Amino acid sequence: DAKTTQPTSMDCAEGRAANLPCNHSTISGNEYVYWYRQIHSQGPQYIIHGLKNNETNEMASLIITEDRKSSTLILPHATLRDTAVYYCIVRLDISPDDKIIFGKGTRLHILP
Amino acid sequence: DTGVSQDPRHKITKRGQNVTFRCDPISEHNRLYWYRQTLGQGPEFLTYFQNEAQLEKSRLLSDRFSAERPKGSFSTLEIQRTEQGDSAMYLCASSLFQGADDGYTFGSGTRLTVV
Repeated sequence: DAKTTQPTSMDCAEGRAANLPCNHSTISGNEYVYWYRQIHSQGPQYIIHGLKNNETNEMASLIITEDRKSSTLILPHATLRDTAVYYCIVRLDISPDDKIIFGKGTRLHILP
Repeated sequence: DTGVSQDPRHKITKRGQNVTFRCDPISEHNRLYWYRQTLGQGPEFLTYFQNEAQLEKSRLLSDRFSAERPKGSFSTLEIQRTEQGDSAMYLCASSLFQGADDGYTFGSGTRLTVV
């Protein structure tokens, strides 16, 4: 079962920052937070992951709270192409049982 | 490398027929995963391989489903005696499992419609 809770859907105006929240209150100390997105008719795409510290790459920033019970994915300047379902996932990074379990995600609509 | 390739992109079959899908992972990736996705749901894990060994199968994978990765490269997923409930998108992903990886790379999927 997915270990995260996300809003079902969100809207964001084009050009503004999109902030997508995720709750993972049962996360354990050695579990990472991963974000993927799925654009219509495509497979999921890796965005970013982190353990404790905030992370940034060319796609997004990941802010993890100090208690690690929640996180926020930030798309700094959303475009229409960012319309997608965004999945927040927690998993062990090094594990013989490694596999991603998806929840239902957040459907993000970028509005022109 | 062109990423993860899946073939065919679309398949329409009659109930009761057998179908086979193929996945070609990124060449240096040692792990390969199969997922199934129905409308409005996130992808559901089916099974995964490390090299040619099938390490785990989900309870979702009934005995009508079989997956192989004979030489640790491409993989096939076969569904025997298809049912309408098998209609879904079948996704394949690969990864280089060596610890701190950058996540899975997914293919674009095979959409199966059972009529």
